[in-house]
Amino acid sequence: KAGVTQTPRYLIKTRGQQVTLSCSPISGHRSVSWYQQTPGQGLQFLFEYFSETQRNKGNFPGRFSGRQFSNSRSEMNVSTLELGDSALYLCASSLVPGLENIQYFGAGTRLSVL
Amino acid sequence: AQSVTQPDIHITVSEGASLELRCNYSYGATPYLFWYVQSPGQGLQLLLKYFSGDTLVQGIKGFEAEFKRSQSSFNLRKPSVHWSDAAEYFCAVGAENLFFGTGTRLTVIP
Repeated sequence: KAGVTQTPRYLIKTRGQQVTLSCSPISGHRSVSWYQQTPGQGLQFLFEYFSETQRNKGNFPGRFSGRQFSNSRSEMNVSTLELGDSALYLCASSLVPGLENIQYFGAGTRLSVL
Repeated sequence: AQSVTQPDIHITVSEGASLELRCNYSYGATPYLFWYVQSPGQGLQLLLKYFSGDTLVQGIKGFEAEFKRSQSSFNLRKPSVHWSDAAEYFCAVGAENLFFGTGTRLTVIP
């Protein structure tokens, strides 16, 4: 079956713009988590969604938001982009929340902010 | 506060040699423990996990890891490295969501 699909794979934006990234989980998976990966800060947890509700949120400013649809697909949005938002954004899906349920990662969306 | 330390930023080994990647963590209680691998331009692939029970866990691609509670460590090992193992390796811990180490880049010399 298909893995976690993230679109687009690459994105270039300028400071001040906003961006929306999409994540389609593995079929049957209902939990989606987002992570930011940068050379300086490494991999950091952004938020987790389950049943269209945010369950957990990492330590990121309110410019970072997300949502989940009834088909479990998820989007994350970053408003008023800053140079420091340049990163690889990874999405992971699991059957249900809880780390005892393995998270499967997508290939990521690489965002460059100019 | 939670933290994960991977003290080796970059390790170079010869093909066929053994490998050990170190991971130490700080967490309120014994968390779930994971090792992931990331190849260039790719997402993360789970190598193995520890939840409870036997402290030596086997994973994919011939990797194993040993949980040592007294040392708060979860080191990854492989007896004989293959050139295809060259990648970045991340240790992660957590109970609700994952906290990652900064990664160890593995280079394999033919």
